[in-house]
Amino acid sequence: SQTIHQWPATLVQPVGSPLSLECTVEGTSNPNLYWYRQAAGRGLQLLFYSVGIGQISSEVPQNLSASRPQDRQFILSSKKLLLSDSGFYLCAWSGDNEKLFFGSGTQLSVL
Amino acid sequence: AQTVTQSQPEMSVQEAETVTLSCTYDTSESDYYLFWYKQPPSRQMILVIRQEAYKQQNATENRFSVNFQKAAKSFSLKISDSQLGDAAMYFCAYMGGYGGSQGNLIFGKGTKLSVKP
Repeated sequence: SQTIHQWPATLVQPVGSPLSLECTVEGTSNPNLYWYRQAAGRGLQLLFYSVGIGQISSEVPQNLSASRPQDRQFILSSKKLLLSDSGFYLCAWSGDNEKLFFGSGTQLSVL
Repeated sequence: AQTVTQSQPEMSVQEAETVTLSCTYDTSESDYYLFWYKQPPSRQMILVIRQEAYKQQNATENRFSVNFQKAAKSFSLKISDSQLGDAAMYFCAYMGGYGGSQGNLIFGKGTKLSVKP
């Protein structure tokens, strides 16, 4: 069966520091991969999606970037975090249908 | 642009009873998908049920069923025989069809469901 791993679960970072959040999927090949962010008390907003290695599409302009160095690995990064980058980040994958399956999320606090 | 509206910020149901969560959406697309996701206190998003717009038959998953009214752009979730573990935030979500949104789920603001023992 397919599983998705996301880490760390929580992260506290100072303003101006770099960020790297990692997500990996097991049990499937060539998944579509996604990074979402959830603001407090709100639904999720799509940040990036990828349909293959090295293929990244961004949905909103921001201080973040994403990379997909391997088929089942998706990384969310920032060179210098801003206070506004705080939030709950969720990685997700989908196969050949429209069902998205989410990881357990990372609560990022930028102080 | 597509929008999803959940008009009930909070709902409460007695254990073993039935509750219906409302969702309306706006789109000009004819091909799309609708979802209900559950977010328990752990905050992981869990897929509850999915509906293809081209299917007239309402989707069901065990105790969960939907009432999909395409003309009215309404997509409500019915939870039967409510259990304490059903307590969570429930999000209605929309995704455009093939060649459209590429996994861009558009979420409503959510409904917080409480289950009373």
